[in-house]
Amino acid sequence: DVKVTQSSRYLVKRTGEKVFLECVQDMDHENMFWYRQDPGLGLRLIYFSYDVKMKEKGDIPEGYSVSREKKERFSLILESASTNQTSMYLCASSLSGGLAKMNTEAFFGQGTRLTVV
Amino acid sequence: AQSVAQPEDQVNVAEGNPLTVKCTYSVSGNPYLFWYVQYPNRGLQFLLKYITGDNLVKGSYGFEAEFNKSQTSFHLKKPSALVSDSALYFCAVTDSWGKLQFGAGTQVVVTP
Repeated sequence: DVKVTQSSRYLVKRTGEKVFLECVQDMDHENMFWYRQDPGLGLRLIYFSYDVKMKEKGDIPEGYSVSREKKERFSLILESASTNQTSMYLCASSLSGGLAKMNTEAFFGQGTRLTVV
Repeated sequence: AQSVAQPEDQVNVAEGNPLTVKCTYSVSGNPYLFWYVQYPNRGLQFLLKYITGDNLVKGSYGFEAEFNKSQTSFHLKKPSALVSDSALYFCAVTDSWGKLQFGAGTQVVVTP
């Protein structure tokens, strides 16, 4: 089975701190994603990576950056955490490659509930 | 831009009754559509997908979805709902890069 592991289930950080959320997948997937989930807003894409060192902004990239130095690991970075970044963060991965990009399901981690105080 | 919409925030159904969760899509070209489910305090789990072919797609846990091109809809269905089906359901669409865009989600509440 595909396994997507997020380093923390719950995290509490102070305003202004630099925060790292880590995600590792074990199925050699090319695509990796970071979403945030808020009630009534569904899942909003923060960043998307389709290969090592490649990234693409999603719908809400402001205040976030990402790093993908190795294929299996995709990190989300909050440069200076703010209270409006309190949310559930979900990491996902999927296969890629030509037309297969459009028909492969994504696998999700358990999520990290981040609280910024 | 590709998008999906879920018009209902919540669907209430009695156990044993049919369950339908609605989704409409807006895409250029052929749609590639997905349904995911989220149980409390869990990540999302894949239920089923439409790529091409039959308009009725069968998935996990007895769920199926009906693709309707003329109505641009992809509704999720289950003939007989269980209390354990109570969860948050998301419709999603993929673009040419494999980037998934989700709807706002529909909370399903199945009462005994």
